[in-house]
Amino acid sequence: DAGVTQSPTHLIKTRGQQVTLRCSPKSGHDTVSWYQQALGQGPQFIFQYYEEEERQRGNFPDRFSGHQFPNYSSELNVNALLLGDSALYLCASSRGQGYDGYTFGSGTRLTVV
Amino acid sequence: AQTVTQSQPEMSVQEAETVTLSCTYDTSESDYYLFWYKQPPSRQMILVIRQEAYKQQNATENRFSVNFQKAAKSFSLKISDSQLGDAAMYFCAYRSVFTGANSKLTFGKGITLSVRP
Repeated sequence: DAGVTQSPTHLIKTRGQQVTLRCSPKSGHDTVSWYQQALGQGPQFIFQYYEEEERQRGNFPDRFSGHQFPNYSSELNVNALLLGDSALYLCASSRGQGYDGYTFGSGTRLTVV
Repeated sequence: AQTVTQSQPEMSVQEAETVTLSCTYDTSESDYYLFWYKQPPSRQMILVIRQEAYKQQNATENRFSVNFQKAAKSFSLKISDSQLGDAAMYFCAYRSVFTGANSKLTFGKGITLSVRP
């Protein structure tokens, strides 16, 4: 049973560029959440998608946007990259509200230079 | 808004010994969920244990157990018979019971646990 798959694993971008990160949820899960984890810090909630709509959003600017597809996979887009966007981006999937907990992927390490 | 505090940035334990990782949280809600996640160098967050606030009994999962003190808003993780594979970063997380808009996880800053052979 495949878990959460994220791609790519590593990415280097230049300041001002745009990036797209991808996530395939665990089989049977329909909800996808994205988190940003700066080095040495805990993950910070970006947003959550359910039924192809953004259900909840954290304190992140509009440069961060997302999408969920009919097969429940999701994309995270970041425009006008800043040096401060360098972080590990984690995708977490769950069934419905996630009361049983979330299954996380191994993340995408984004470096902005 | 809820907050989660992990005040110990690093801890070390001898293999086969017991270690306790501390976590406190702040919330005005009476019912919620608490989690401990482990993040090894592979970066994947792995669920260690889950506690429902309305349950009096402390959760246990094999060598892992929690000491949940609701009045004190404390949620510590005890690892017994520590193994080398337990070395990782450990995060405490909070989740509201309310549906929809409050289903996010709020994490602490984490504790780096090292295990000495």
